[in-house]
Amino acid sequence: DTAVSQTPKYLVTQMGNDKSIKCEQNLGHDTMYWYKQDSKKFLKIMFSYNNKELIINETVPNRFSPKSPDKAHLNLHINSLELGDSAVYFCASSQTGLTNTGELFFGEGSRLTVL
Amino acid sequence: GNSVTQMEGPVTLSEEAFLTINCTYTATGYPSLFWYVQYPGEGLQLLLKATKADDKGSNKGFEATYRKETTSFHLEKGSVQVSDSAVYFCALSASGGSYIPTFGRGTSLIVHP
Repeated sequence: DTAVSQTPKYLVTQMGNDKSIKCEQNLGHDTMYWYKQDSKKFLKIMFSYNNKELIINETVPNRFSPKSPDKAHLNLHINSLELGDSAVYFCASSQTGLTNTGELFFGEGSRLTVL
Repeated sequence: GNSVTQMEGPVTLSEEAFLTINCTYTATGYPSLFWYVQYPGEGLQLLLKATKADDKGSNKGFEATYRKETTSFHLEKGSVQVSDSAVYFCALSASGGSYIPTFGRGTSLIVHP
């Protein structure tokens, strides 16, 4: 069973379109994240949710909107896609609180290409 | 704020060579330290970790020691293999409770036969 799964794995779309990436974790973790990885492999945190509440919202254009329907799911919706949005987007999860080990569990990534 | 600095890559080695990837950090309090590895086309996965000063994390022949006096967590392996070719990320996390992970920029390792 995949611990953190993202769909789709590949996404090719035109500028101006709207797209979504979905993420689900079956680890029972209470915190989920979205990261953006650029072509130089630099990882930038975008958002983090703890028990469905937004706790990290880095400087990200408001075209990006995360949604967490429950603590096992964190989806990312992107409006009006731009060329610079082309990247690999990673979902991750962790368990905070007294049982926190600090370890993140990552999905396999969703490669978004905007033409 | 917290930060992690890694040596720039790519690091290119021949098989069976010794590997060191340097990592230093700045943090308030006593963070946990991690090395993650990203193989081509995959997500990041934990390679090893250390949660307090002088702890040594180890896995798959890789080692790193938490050095509080030099704020470092350098990754080492005595004899690399072609299959170790990947991008390696040093990271830290605030201990306990609220948690905001901080990653270094990643170091690409290329191992030639």
